[in-house]
Amino acid sequence: EAGVAQSPRYKIIEKRQSVAFWCNPISGHATLYWYQQILGQGPKLLIQFQNNGVVDDSQLPKDRFSAERLKGVDSTLKIQPAKLEDSAVYLCASSLDRPGTSGNTIYFGEGSWLTVV
Amino acid sequence: AQSVSQHNHHVILSEAASLELGCNYSYGGTVNLFWYVQYPGQHLQLLLKYFSGDPLVKGIKGFEAEFIKSKFSFNLRKPSVQWSDTAEYFCAVNSQAGTALIFGKGTTLSVSS
Repeated sequence: EAGVAQSPRYKIIEKRQSVAFWCNPISGHATLYWYQQILGQGPKLLIQFQNNGVVDDSQLPKDRFSAERLKGVDSTLKIQPAKLEDSAVYLCASSLDRPGTSGNTIYFGEGSWLTVV
Repeated sequence: AQSVSQHNHHVILSEAASLELGCNYSYGGTVNLFWYVQYPGQHLQLLLKYFSGDPLVKGIKGFEAEFIKSKFSFNLRKPSVQWSDTAEYFCAVNSQAGTALIFGKGTTLSVSS
């Protein structure tokens, strides 16, 4: 079974530039998540989609971050303009059901490493 | 608000030593509990999970964890570590009401051969 695919794996940009990350979840998974992992910390949820609808974006800095999942499959996360503190790994994850469902496991991609200089 | 605390930031062990990594969570409702591992250069992988039933859960690679509801704890254990267990370990929790998965800050385990 194919895992969660992400691209690009690595990106270096200057502050105030823009960047976009792409994610393809595991086939059939209704729930898709974007997490931000800053060095030395655990992943922090940015946004959660259920099919193509947003369920939780309470921790997404909406002045600069945006995300979409138009057809309920692939998703893109965009940062514009980027700040130095956005340097982090951006993890995409997916699960068959909504979080909290008994037996529901969240699977993570390899991450997209962003460095803002 | 939910939170997860991992007591040890960095643990250093010799091969064959026993391992216990602490994890405590803060949440008043019914929770699901997870341990994920991240080997160097690899993605987060699920080690084990607890949803209900037997509070002692066994995962991959000889790991196990015990859910102690009265202590809000879900400590990870392994009786004898190997060099290949060198990795970062994350405890995570979500509620059965459907809240997002919240992670602890992680514990880096270094095993020397």
